Amino acid sequence: AQSVTQPDARVTVSEGASLQLRCKYSYFGTPYLFWYVQYPRQGLQLLLKYYPGDPVVQGVNGFEAEFSKSNSSFHLRKASVHWSDWAVYFCAVSMWPGYQNFYFGKGTSLTVIP
Amino acid sequence: EAAVTQSPRNKVAVTGGKVTLSCNQTNNHNNMYWYRQDTGHGLRLIHYSYGAGSTEKGDIPDGYKASRPSQENFSLILELATPSQTSVYFCASGEVPGYAEQFFGPGTRLTVL
Repeated sequence: AQSVTQPDARVTVSEGASLQLRCKYSYFGTPYLFWYVQYPRQGLQLLLKYYPGDPVVQGVNGFEAEFSKSNSSFHLRKASVHWSDWAVYFCAVSMWPGYQNFYFGKGTSLTVIP
Repeated sequence: EAAVTQSPRNKVAVTGGKVTLSCNQTNNHNNMYWYRQDTGHGLRLIHYSYGAGSTEKGDIPDGYKASRPSQENFSLILELATPSQTSVYFCASGEVPGYAEQFFGPGTRLTVL
């Protein structure tokens, strides 16, 4: 069955440090992949999206992610974390165009310490 | 500015009562979705719609109905609310199904006592 796994429920980093949030998917084909961010008491906002092509995609606010078919992964990275990045991050996968469902991971809660 | 809005933002209901959650989008998207978010589960799809007059079951439709009377509006209906339906509900709209991003509303926090 298709699935998305975010193995880290919580991550804590110091402001200015680099960040990697992990996402692994389970699917036999090439998926469409997304990272969303959820700030407190708000809906989800798109950070970046991957369609088949360049494996490294750039998003908003300095975020980028790298798709690896061999590892079935789509990890999110940021070179220098800011306190405003304190939020919950969701990885999502869509299996093919025309399929209605996005499958979301359970989310990674990021805490930024000064 | 294109947006997805939800009402109410917070709702307390009694067990066995009827609850209607409303969603309005100005994105002019054909597709709309209802999710619930629970700790440890992420977001799970309840119902979705391809356009006015259509509703389809998602992964967890039991206990929920949906209504799409117009392009802009999509409602989620709990005919007989139960405490297990206490959750945060998100509405979203999108263009090409499963391909383009979905745009989310701010959520409705529902508590069923």
